Amino acid sequence: AQSVTQPDIHITVSEGASLELRCNYSYGATPYLFWYVQSPGQGLQLLLKYFSGDTLVQGIKGFEAEFKRSQSSFNLRKPSVHWSDAAEYFCAVKRSNFGNEKLTFGTGTRLTIIP
Amino acid sequence: NAGVTQTPKFQVLKTGQSMTLQCAQDMNHNSMYWYRQDPGMGLRLIYYSASEGTTDKGEVPNGYNVSRLNKREFSLRLESAAPSQTSVYFCASSGLDRGQETQYFGPGTRLLVL
Repeated sequence: AQSVTQPDIHITVSEGASLELRCNYSYGATPYLFWYVQSPGQGLQLLLKYFSGDTLVQGIKGFEAEFKRSQSSFNLRKPSVHWSDAAEYFCAVKRSNFGNEKLTFGTGTRLTIIP
Repeated sequence: NAGVTQTPKFQVLKTGQSMTLQCAQDMNHNSMYWYRQDPGMGLRLIYYSASEGTTDKGEVPNGYNVSRLNKREFSLRLESAAPSQTSVYFCASSGLDRGQETQYFGPGTRLLVL
């Protein structure tokens, strides 16, 4: 079965600084990878996804992520964070593009932004 | 186009009470899901429905039942609520987005069982 690890429970960065959130997955074949963001009291919003092709994917709100097969990683990055980026971020993986294939989520990374 | 909607937004129950969480989507998606979110545990799948008329258990189905009423609606029922079911419940639906099967989430229902 696939699994996802987000090693950082909580990260604090200064506004304007760069950000990298780590995600490692465990799955034998090429996975389908997602990053979601959850603002306080809200549902999950899709930031970006990787299915195939270019390993650097662009998402909404200025985020990008890079799929590195050799490291089994799909880290999320942003060059300059804004106070509104404070939220919880979830990495997720699934095995196929079928509709009944469930998502497996990591435990999340909470991002705090300081002035 | 409202996406995925859930009712109620917040509910307090006493142990042993029953309730149904409602979910509807207007994106014409075949697959729908119920997750629960607990601190430090991410989201865990309770039940899912790959298409109208079918349902399957996820990781944590005990204490829950579901009904896929039609293509739009997927409800989650707690027959006899327990404090361990205090959680935030998310409904999701999935469909093709530029050929890629993608899940979209509702705003959540916050449930407190006393």
